[in-house]
Order: sequence, then structure tokens, then C-alpha cells
Amino acid sequence: KAGVTQTPRYLIKTRGQQVTLSCSPISGHRSVSWYQQTPGQGLQFLFEYFSETQRNKGNFPGRFSGRQFSNSRSEMNVSTLELGDSALYLCASRPTGTEGGEKLFFGSGTQLSVL
Amino acid sequence: AQSVSQHNHHVILSEAASLELGCNYSYGGTVNLFWYVQYPGQHLQLLLKYFSGDPLVKGIKGFEAEFIKSKFSFNLRKPSVQWSDTAEYFCAVSGLSGGSYIPTFGRGTSLIVHP
Repeated sequence: KAGVTQTPRYLIKTRGQQVTLSCSPISGHRSVSWYQQTPGQGLQFLFEYFSETQRNKGNFPGRFSGRQFSNSRSEMNVSTLELGDSALYLCASRPTGTEGGEKLFFGSGTQLSVL
Repeated sequence: AQSVSQHNHHVILSEAASLELGCNYSYGGTVNLFWYVQYPGQHLQLLLKYFSGDPLVKGIKGFEAEFIKSKFSFNLRKPSVQWSDTAEYFCAVSGLSGGSYIPTFGRGTSLIVHP
């Protein structure tokens, strides 16, 4: 089985621009979560989608949004980029029935640099 | 709200030294506890988990962790580290939210093991 795939691997943007990141979960996984990873803050939860519905949301401003498609692929969008948005954005998927988070599978991430 | 505190941000050891990484959490209900590891250039992956039962849990590669409920702690240990244990280690706690368990991660501990 292919793992969680995130594209692109690297992105360089300038302040004020917007960006869309993509995540393809492992086949059969319906839950997709997004995290922001920075050296000072570790991993911070952005949101979780399940069957095209946002099920949970972290404490991020409205500039961060996401969606999930019927094939479970997910995208996250960041509008009006700020320098502080520079981070590694991780996507994770898990199969149905493991809501305790036992089987959380992470992608390699998208490294976003905002100049 | 749940939170996780990792006491050591950077740890440097020589091979064969013993390792203990501290993790404390706060949450008002039943929690699931995890340690994840991120080896250089690799995905985050699950090292070990605690849901219930024996508070001493064993994970991959000789790691173990002990859940001490009275101290709200879940420290990671390994009796003898190897150079290949060089990685970033994240403690995580998940509590029920919106019908699923969302892991909250600590800021991570960077472990460097010198050969």
C-alpha cells in the first residue's frame, strides 16, 4: 500500500500570497488531519476531516482552511501568507475504527517558506 | 483543553548511555498516550502507545514508557541508546473531541547520540 502522499514537497511564497497543499491518504483511510510543525512549537493541530466533513479544528486563524473530497483526498489552503506561516505542514491519515489515534500515519510533509 | 509538556528540548548522549525523556500532560478525562519518533528525513512514526492496562508499555527498538497517573507523566526510557536512535521524539496525548481522539503533541525533544 502506498503511504500518505503530500504535494508539493517544497514551496516558496511571498507574504500576502495564498497557497494550497494537497494530501492523499492511504487507500481506505477516511480520516485526514493536518498539523503545522515548527522548531519552537512542535506539532500543532490544524483540523481533521472525515467523510468530507470537518470534524475538529485547532486554534488557527480563519486564513487556514481545508476541505476533503469524496475520494478522501484533502487540501489545505492558507490565504494572505505571513512570515510566521513558514513551517512544515504534515498530513496524517488513519483507518476507520481507530479513533483513539493508534494508527496515525504521517506523510513527509510540505515545507513552506514565506519570504 | 489538553496539553503536553516535554521537559528536555535537546539531549546529547554517547552510545550505550541510558535515556529518559520526560513528558507531562494535563487533561481532565481519560487519555490515550503516545510517543512518536521522527528519524532524520523520515516520516513521523509511532514508537509506543498506552490506552489502558499495564502502565509499563514496550515499543519498538527497545523503547519503553511508564504511565504514572498520579504524576500525569508518561516518560520514555531506553537502557542503552544507539547512534541510530538520533531523532526527534514527540510525546502526545489524545482526548475525545468531536467524536474522535485528536492527539496533542509536545514540542519535541531532539536526541543526538554520538558514536
